[in-house]
Amino acid sequence: NAGVTQTPKFQVLKTGQSMTLQCAQDMNHNSMYWYRQDPGMGLRLIYYSASEGTTDKGEVPNGYNVSRLNKREFSLRLESAAPSQTSVYFCASSGQVNTEAFFGQGTRLTVV
Amino acid sequence: GESVGLHLPTLSVQEGDNSIINCAYSNSASDYFIWYKQESGKGPQFIIDIRSNMDKRQGQRVTVLLNKTVKHLSLQIAATQPGDSAVYFCAETGGSQGNLIFGKGTKLSVKP
Repeated sequence: NAGVTQTPKFQVLKTGQSMTLQCAQDMNHNSMYWYRQDPGMGLRLIYYSASEGTTDKGEVPNGYNVSRLNKREFSLRLESAAPSQTSVYFCASSGQVNTEAFFGQGTRLTVV
Repeated sequence: GESVGLHLPTLSVQEGDNSIINCAYSNSASDYFIWYKQESGKGPQFIIDIRSNMDKRQGQRVTVLLNKTVKHLSLQIAATQPGDSAVYFCAETGGSQGNLIFGKGTKLSVKP
Protein backbone atom coordinates (compact mmCIF):
# COMPACT_ATOMS: atom_id res chain seq x y z
CA ASN A 1 0.00 0.00 0.00
CA ALA A 2 1.61 3.25 -1.16
CA GLY A 3 -0.67 5.63 0.77
CA VAL A 4 0.69 9.15 0.35
CA THR A 5 3.77 9.54 -1.84
CA GLN A 6 5.88 12.67 -1.93
CA THR A 7 8.68 13.60 -4.28
CA PRO A 8 11.45 14.54 -3.98
CA LYS A 9 12.65 13.37 -0.55
CA PHE A 10 15.48 15.89 -0.39
CA GLN A 11 16.15 19.14 -2.22
CA VAL A 12 18.61 21.99 -1.98
CA LEU A 13 17.69 25.26 -3.63
CA LYS A 14 19.40 28.56 -4.04
CA THR A 15 17.57 31.68 -2.92
CA GLY A 16 15.25 32.83 -5.68
CA GLN A 17 14.93 29.46 -7.38
CA SER A 18 11.56 27.86 -7.88
CA MET A 19 10.41 24.30 -7.46
CA THR A 20 7.32 22.16 -7.15
CA LEU A 21 6.80 19.49 -4.52
CA GLN A 22 4.65 16.64 -5.73
CA CYS A 23 2.17 14.61 -3.72
CA ALA A 24 -0.10 11.77 -4.71
CA GLN A 25 -2.45 9.56 -2.68
CA ASP A 26 -4.06 6.30 -3.67
CA MET A 27 -6.72 6.10 -0.96
CA ASN A 28 -9.43 7.93 -2.92
CA HIS A 29 -9.43 10.67 -0.29
CA ASN A 30 -11.26 13.91 -0.87
CA SER A 31 -9.08 16.19 1.25
CA MET A 32 -5.39 16.87 0.90
CA TYR A 33 -3.00 19.09 2.87
CA TRP A 34 0.46 20.58 2.87
CA TYR A 35 2.19 21.13 6.22
CA ARG A 36 5.62 22.38 7.12
CA GLN A 37 7.49 21.19 10.19
CA ASP A 38 10.13 23.31 11.85
CA PRO A 39 12.03 22.52 15.06
CA GLY A 40 10.00 23.52 18.10
CA MET A 41 7.06 24.62 15.94
CA GLY A 42 5.17 21.41 15.33
CA LEU A 43 3.31 21.04 12.05
CA ARG A 44 1.74 24.13 10.53
CA LEU A 45 -0.79 24.07 7.73
CA ILE A 46 0.26 25.84 4.52
CA TYR A 47 -2.64 25.06 2.19
CA TYR A 48 -5.34 22.49 1.97
CA SER A 49 -7.84 21.20 -0.54
CA ALA A 50 -11.12 20.02 0.92
CA SER A 51 -12.13 18.42 -2.37
CA GLU A 52 -11.06 18.24 -5.97
CA GLY A 53 -11.25 21.67 -7.54
CA THR A 54 -10.94 23.67 -4.32
CA THR A 55 -7.95 25.02 -2.42
CA ASP A 56 -7.74 27.22 0.67
CA LYS A 57 -5.04 28.96 2.64
CA GLY A 58 -3.88 27.57 5.90
CA GLU A 59 -1.92 29.15 8.72
CA VAL A 60 1.27 29.98 6.79
CA PRO A 61 0.47 30.36 3.04
CA ASN A 62 2.78 33.24 2.13
CA GLY A 63 5.39 32.33 -0.47
CA TYR A 64 3.54 29.22 -1.64
CA ASN A 65 1.00 28.21 -4.24
CA VAL A 66 -0.83 24.95 -4.68
CA SER A 67 -2.62 23.04 -7.40
CA ARG A 68 -5.12 20.26 -6.93
CA LEU A 69 -4.41 18.59 -10.24
CA ASN A 70 -7.00 15.85 -9.78
CA LYS A 71 -8.36 13.83 -6.90
CA ARG A 72 -5.06 12.01 -6.43
CA GLU A 73 -2.52 14.80 -6.76
CA PHE A 74 -1.85 18.00 -4.83
CA SER A 75 1.31 19.97 -5.59
CA LEU A 76 3.03 22.75 -3.66
CA ARG A 77 5.03 25.38 -5.52
CA LEU A 78 7.66 27.76 -4.26
CA GLU A 79 7.98 30.53 -6.85
CA SER A 80 11.02 32.24 -5.34
CA ALA A 81 12.58 30.25 -2.55
CA ALA A 82 13.83 32.01 0.57
CA PRO A 83 16.00 30.69 3.43
CA SER A 84 12.96 31.00 5.73
CA GLN A 85 11.35 28.23 3.70
CA THR A 86 13.99 25.76 4.79
CA SER A 87 11.87 23.10 6.45
CA VAL A 88 10.48 19.62 6.19
CA TYR A 89 7.29 19.53 4.14
CA PHE A 90 4.60 16.94 4.63
CA CYS A 91 1.68 16.15 2.42
CA ALA A 92 -1.34 14.47 3.96
CA SER A 93 -4.76 13.27 2.92
CA SER A 94 -8.01 12.39 4.64
CA GLY A 95 -11.42 11.16 3.66
CA GLN A 96 -12.81 14.53 4.59
CA VAL A 97 -11.80 17.62 6.55
CA ASN A 98 -11.68 17.06 10.31
CA THR A 99 -10.90 13.38 10.17
CA GLU A 100 -7.75 11.34 10.54
CA ALA A 101 -5.04 12.45 8.12
CA PHE A 102 -2.47 10.12 6.59
CA PHE A 103 0.97 11.57 5.99
CA GLY A 104 3.67 11.09 3.41
CA GLN A 105 7.32 10.60 4.31
CA GLY A 106 8.22 14.25 3.90
CA THR A 107 10.47 16.41 1.74
CA ARG A 108 13.47 17.95 3.42
CA LEU A 109 14.09 21.29 1.71
CA THR A 110 17.10 23.48 2.29
CA VAL A 111 17.30 26.96 0.78
CA VAL A 112 20.78 28.48 0.75
CA GLY B 1 -6.42 32.07 20.05
CA GLU B 2 -6.46 28.42 19.15
CA SER B 3 -3.56 26.39 20.44
CA VAL B 4 -2.61 22.92 21.40
CA GLY B 5 0.26 22.51 23.83
CA LEU B 6 2.06 19.84 25.75
CA HIS B 7 2.98 19.84 29.42
CA LEU B 8 6.14 17.75 28.98
CA PRO B 9 8.43 18.31 26.01
CA THR B 10 10.58 15.25 26.86
CA LEU B 11 9.81 12.02 28.64
CA SER B 12 12.24 9.25 29.53
CA VAL B 13 10.89 5.91 30.75
CA GLN B 14 12.24 2.47 31.50
CA GLU B 15 11.33 -0.35 29.15
CA GLY B 16 8.27 -2.13 30.48
CA ASP B 17 6.95 0.88 32.38
CA ASN B 18 3.81 2.73 31.43
CA SER B 19 4.11 6.11 29.74
CA ILE B 20 1.75 9.04 29.99
CA ILE B 21 1.98 11.93 27.55
CA ASN B 22 -0.17 14.97 28.23
CA CYS B 23 -1.67 17.63 26.03
CA ALA B 24 -3.70 20.77 26.70
CA TYR B 25 -5.98 22.34 24.16
CA SER B 26 -7.64 25.71 24.20
CA ASN B 27 -10.44 25.50 21.64
CA SER B 28 -13.49 24.25 23.49
CA ALA B 29 -15.26 23.84 20.14
CA SER B 30 -12.86 21.10 19.01
CA ASP B 31 -14.74 17.85 18.66
CA TYR B 32 -12.12 15.42 17.42
CA PHE B 33 -8.64 14.66 18.72
CA ILE B 34 -5.84 12.52 17.37
CA TRP B 35 -2.53 11.26 18.64
CA TYR B 36 0.28 10.81 16.14
CA LYS B 37 3.66 9.13 16.49
CA GLN B 38 6.60 10.40 14.47
CA GLU B 39 9.81 8.46 14.22
CA SER B 40 12.99 10.14 13.09
CA GLY B 41 12.96 10.88 9.36
CA LYS B 42 9.38 9.74 8.88
CA GLY B 43 5.98 11.28 8.59
CA PRO B 44 3.49 11.31 11.48
CA GLN B 45 1.67 8.04 11.94
CA PHE B 46 -1.84 7.76 13.35
CA ILE B 47 -2.07 6.06 16.74
CA ILE B 48 -5.52 6.64 18.12
CA ASP B 49 -8.33 9.16 18.01
CA ILE B 50 -11.25 10.20 20.18
CA ARG B 51 -14.36 12.28 19.65
CA SER B 52 -15.62 14.80 22.14
CA ASN B 53 -18.61 12.65 23.10
CA MET B 54 -16.23 10.13 24.65
CA ASP B 55 -13.98 10.26 27.73
CA LYS B 56 -11.81 7.27 27.00
CA ARG B 57 -10.81 5.10 24.12
CA GLN B 58 -8.54 2.09 24.11
CA GLY B 59 -6.41 0.58 21.41
CA GLN B 60 -3.65 -1.96 21.41
CA ARG B 61 -1.42 -0.96 24.38
CA VAL B 62 -2.62 2.64 24.07
CA THR B 63 -5.40 4.55 25.78
CA VAL B 64 -6.50 8.10 25.16
CA LEU B 65 -8.30 10.05 27.87
CA LEU B 66 -10.21 13.23 27.23
CA ASN B 67 -11.19 15.65 29.97
CA LYS B 68 -13.31 18.34 28.41
CA THR B 69 -13.80 20.17 31.69
CA VAL B 70 -10.14 21.15 31.87
CA LYS B 71 -9.45 20.73 28.14
CA HIS B 72 -6.86 18.06 28.64
CA LEU B 73 -5.90 15.06 26.56
CA SER B 74 -3.55 12.27 27.48
CA LEU B 75 -2.00 9.26 25.80
CA GLN B 76 -1.15 6.26 27.91
CA ILE B 77 1.19 3.60 26.54
CA ALA B 78 1.27 0.34 28.46
CA ALA B 79 4.45 -1.71 28.81
CA THR B 80 6.52 0.79 26.87
CA GLN B 81 8.95 -0.77 24.40
CA PRO B 82 12.09 0.60 22.69
CA GLY B 83 10.09 0.79 19.46
CA ASP B 84 7.83 3.34 21.12
CA SER B 85 10.67 5.87 21.17
CA ALA B 86 9.50 8.74 19.00
CA VAL B 87 7.94 12.18 19.12
CA TYR B 88 4.25 12.16 19.94
CA PHE B 89 1.88 14.87 18.76
CA CYS B 90 -1.64 15.59 19.78
CA ALA B 91 -3.89 17.28 17.25
CA GLU B 92 -7.34 18.76 17.44
CA THR B 93 -9.88 19.78 14.86
CA GLY B 94 -11.72 23.03 15.14
CA GLY B 95 -9.17 25.23 13.40
CA SER B 96 -10.63 28.29 11.72
CA GLN B 97 -10.04 26.62 8.36
CA GLY B 98 -11.47 23.33 9.54
CA ASN B 99 -8.03 21.83 9.73
CA LEU B 100 -6.11 19.83 12.30
CA ILE B 101 -4.06 21.90 14.75
CA PHE B 102 -0.96 20.18 16.06
CA GLY B 103 0.84 20.58 19.34
CA LYS B 104 4.60 20.97 19.43
CA GLY B 105 5.27 17.36 20.38
CA THR B 106 6.74 15.31 23.22
CA LYS B 107 9.82 13.22 22.72
CA LEU B 108 9.55 9.81 24.36
CA SER B 109 12.80 7.96 25.06
CA VAL B 110 12.66 4.38 26.25
CA LYS B 111 15.63 3.08 28.19
CA PRO B 112 16.38 -0.64 27.87
